Amino acid sequence: AQSVTQPDIHITVSEGASLELRCNYSYGATPYLFWYVQSPGQGLQLLLKYFSGDTLVQGIKGFEAEFKRSQSSFNLRKPSVHWSDAAEYFCAVGAYAGNMLTFGGGTRLMVKP
Amino acid sequence: GAGVSQSPSNKVTEKGKDVELRCDPISGHTALYWYRQSLGQGLEFLIYFQGNSAPDKSGLPSDRFSAERTGGSVSTLTIQRTQQEDSAVYLCASSTGLAPNEQYFGPGTRLTVT
Repeated sequence: AQSVTQPDIHITVSEGASLELRCNYSYGATPYLFWYVQSPGQGLQLLLKYFSGDTLVQGIKGFEAEFKRSQSSFNLRKPSVHWSDAAEYFCAVGAYAGNMLTFGGGTRLMVKP
Repeated sequence: GAGVSQSPSNKVTEKGKDVELRCDPISGHTALYWYRQSLGQGLEFLIYFQGNSAPDKSGLPSDRFSAERTGGSVSTLTIQRTQQEDSAVYLCASSTGLAPNEQYFGPGTRLTVT
């Protein structure tokens, strides 16, 4: 069975600073990987996805993530954080098309002015 | 286009009562998922429908939970004899079911059992 670990429960960064949120997964084959963002009281919005090809994927809102098979990681990055990026971020893995997603515990991002 | 919609947005019920939560997936999406989000447990998979196949019920926490999907579209999650530990946000998602199978989520139903 697949699993996802997000080691950082809370992260605080200053506005304009760079951001990296960590995600490690456990799965025997190449998984489908996703990052979602959840603002307070809202559902989950898909930021980006990876399933094959280029290991650096671009998403919405200026986010990118890099798949590193050797490290079983799929870290999310943004070069310059905006105050509106404050939210909770979830990494998720799916074993195959149509499979349910397994989510990490989430990382809550706070942005200092 | 329209996204996934869920109703009600909030539901307060007394312990022991039954509740029904509704999900309208994105038109044309054949796969539909229910998840539960609670403080202690994070995001948990509950049940999954794909086309006309038998649903994957492996995530349902007890036999008080059931779900159906009528006509391959709308789904209803039913919780019988609600307990306080059922209090959570219930999220519905839909997808095409094709790789990479990104799932699109509704806004959720916040259930509070008093």
